[in-house]
Amino acid sequence: EPEVTQTPSHQVTQMGQEVILRCVPISNHLYFYWYRQILGQKVEFLVSFYNNEISEKSEIFDDQFSVERPDGSNFTLKIRSTKLEDSAMYFCASSGRAGGQETQYFGPGTRLLVL
Amino acid sequence: GESVGLHLPTLSVQEGDNSIINCAYSNSASDYFIWYKQESGKGPQFIIDIRSNMDKRQGQRVTVLLNKTVKHLSLQIAATQPGDSAVYFCAENRNTGNQFYFGTGTSLTVIP
Repeated sequence: EPEVTQTPSHQVTQMGQEVILRCVPISNHLYFYWYRQILGQKVEFLVSFYNNEISEKSEIFDDQFSVERPDGSNFTLKIRSTKLEDSAMYFCASSGRAGGQETQYFGPGTRLLVL
Repeated sequence: GESVGLHLPTLSVQEGDNSIINCAYSNSASDYFIWYKQESGKGPQFIIDIRSNMDKRQGQRVTVLLNKTVKHLSLQIAATQPGDSAVYFCAENRNTGNQFYFGTGTSLTVIP
């Protein structure tokens, strides 16, 4: 069964450093998403991406965040200058048809720890 | 000191019993709902979905009920098994956007 994959599974970085989290969405999907989950808290939406541009973003997704689809398979989340409060699980998700009324399938997540 | 994080509702059931997990959603404009299961250290896993034009939907061992009048969603798991132990989230989508809004989750423990 097709699934969303994410690398790395764990990332430890120093405050102020840049990190890039990588995702390979399900191959025939059109919409891509990033969510995060701070330890013990809710899953929170960050951004959605369609047709090579951001379609929606939350207040969390400020100027230090960016997303990119550098090729036909990868979808990345870059955090330019990490802060301690960026420590969280970051989940990539993808969905099939265009539009939000579609099941989003989640990857296993990347656990980011900022020291 | 001040506690941080969520205190998840918890549910413990005996193996073989039925489980009912409840969720109150916040926005009357929400019209698509998903139940996700999250095991420790893993991403949310799709279980079942329902659209607002339905009251009930059944899957394999799972049933979702939607009461739009009181903005309530429930997940029923029949013959609960130890592998069902996880945190269960309801997620709502509002037709104005792509994002899902997740609930706080319920931690289900199945006692063998």
